[in-house]
Amino acid sequence: DTGVSQNPRHKITKRGQNVTFRCDPISEHNRLYWYRQTLGQGPEFLTYFQNEAQLEKSRLLSDRFSAERPKGSFSTLEIQRTEQGDSAMYLCASNENSPEGGYTFGSGTRLTVV
Amino acid sequence: AQSVTQPDIHITVSEGASLELRCNYSYGATPYLFWYVQSPGQGLQLLLKYFSGDTLVQGIKGFEAEFKRSQSSFNLRKPSVHWSDAAEYFCAVAPSNDYKLSFGAGTTVTVRA
Repeated sequence: DTGVSQNPRHKITKRGQNVTFRCDPISEHNRLYWYRQTLGQGPEFLTYFQNEAQLEKSRLLSDRFSAERPKGSFSTLEIQRTEQGDSAMYLCASNENSPEGGYTFGSGTRLTVV
Repeated sequence: AQSVTQPDIHITVSEGASLELRCNYSYGATPYLFWYVQSPGQGLQLLLKYFSGDTLVQGIKGFEAEFKRSQSSFNLRKPSVHWSDAAEYFCAVAPSNDYKLSFGAGTTVTVRA
């Protein structure tokens, strides 16, 4: 068990460019979550998957954001036409189909939009 | 509205002193409760969790937390802090009918020698 892996760790992009992040959850976990964390704040829920199905999206997730989890394994989060306000840490977490085992978080991808 | 409140933004404590971090939640029923720690630039590490049963739960790194239903609180404690405990601490809850975690704004702990 190598934990939840996120790539890249850091991404600097120019405003208006598209970026894509990847999350590899713990293999036996069927739930996968994306969170966004800005400086000095707690993580905010963006979306989650159960297997390959995206079950809920936060209102924070504008039309420029899209997430996928093909085959119910890894997930990608894409941001199109990035804005400076998108600068944040993007965290991925996974767990089994119950909170009782806890939620395992990755180290996050820090996005800086310049 | 459902919410998680951590009243203390920043706490400074001397090494070897005790530490208590407060967390209050507002949910209709007893949710699943968690405490996470985050070091600068890192992800979140689970310290402990509560679902049911004994209201005093033990976690890693010498931390414990007590669930008090009457106060809707889940405060985190450590009897004697170490310099390595300096970090940001987040309380999080997941309603029993919805597995999305909601986080408090966090408490930054500074440990002075």
